[in-house]
Amino acid sequence: DAGITQSPRYKITETGRQVTLMCHQTWSHSYMFWYRQDLGHGLRLIYYSAAADITDKGEVPDGYVVSRSKTENFPLTLESATRSQTSVYFCASSEGGGLPGGQYFGPGTRLLVL
Amino acid sequence: GENVEQHPSTLSVQEGDSAVIKCTYSDSASNYFPWYKQELGKRPQLIIDIRSNVGEKKDQRIAVTLNKTAKHFSLHITETQPEDSAVYFCAASIRNNDMRFGAGTRLTVKP
Repeated sequence: DAGITQSPRYKITETGRQVTLMCHQTWSHSYMFWYRQDLGHGLRLIYYSAAADITDKGEVPDGYVVSRSKTENFPLTLESATRSQTSVYFCASSEGGGLPGGQYFGPGTRLLVL
Repeated sequence: GENVEQHPSTLSVQEGDSAVIKCTYSDSASNYFPWYKQELGKRPQLIIDIRSNVGEKKDQRIAVTLNKTAKHFSLHITETQPEDSAVYFCAASIRNNDMRFGAGTRLTVKP
């Protein structure tokens, strides 16, 4: 599990501020994902990346920006944080290939927007 | 897109009893069905998965069954132990980028 890490683990910010959540994996997995977890909604996909420089929207992308200049890193930026973005954010990775496979999650970042 | 429903939302069993969690999915093209366990304050962890060309898979005390015709799949935990207490999530996927999760089942195993 140490193969995928997130930072910071906890973050408090104010409405309107820009926040960047970091994700790093050491497995050389092709795919990386960002999810948010809210009570009653399970895990919802924000953005994903199939490879370096390839990113695409998931189920709930509004208000978020991602980039993937290196295979091992996949930062998530909240350009102007809103209270509705208070959540637990999980980064995940998977090997990719022709068929879907198990995703391995980071420890999560708890974000509070005041 | 895919829609996954999970039942029940909470489940309480006595230690040693069996627990069953059920999920239904909407897209008949889904071909991969993982189950995740999430302990309080921790990350979701993959515990078992099944592909659409298999009807059942077992790993020690846990098993998953898949009924493609009815579009539902289930997690079975036998001889439950207090350490099985957690939230369990099912998911369904067609492609790597399109994993849809159920809302979760909170399992409590009473000693």
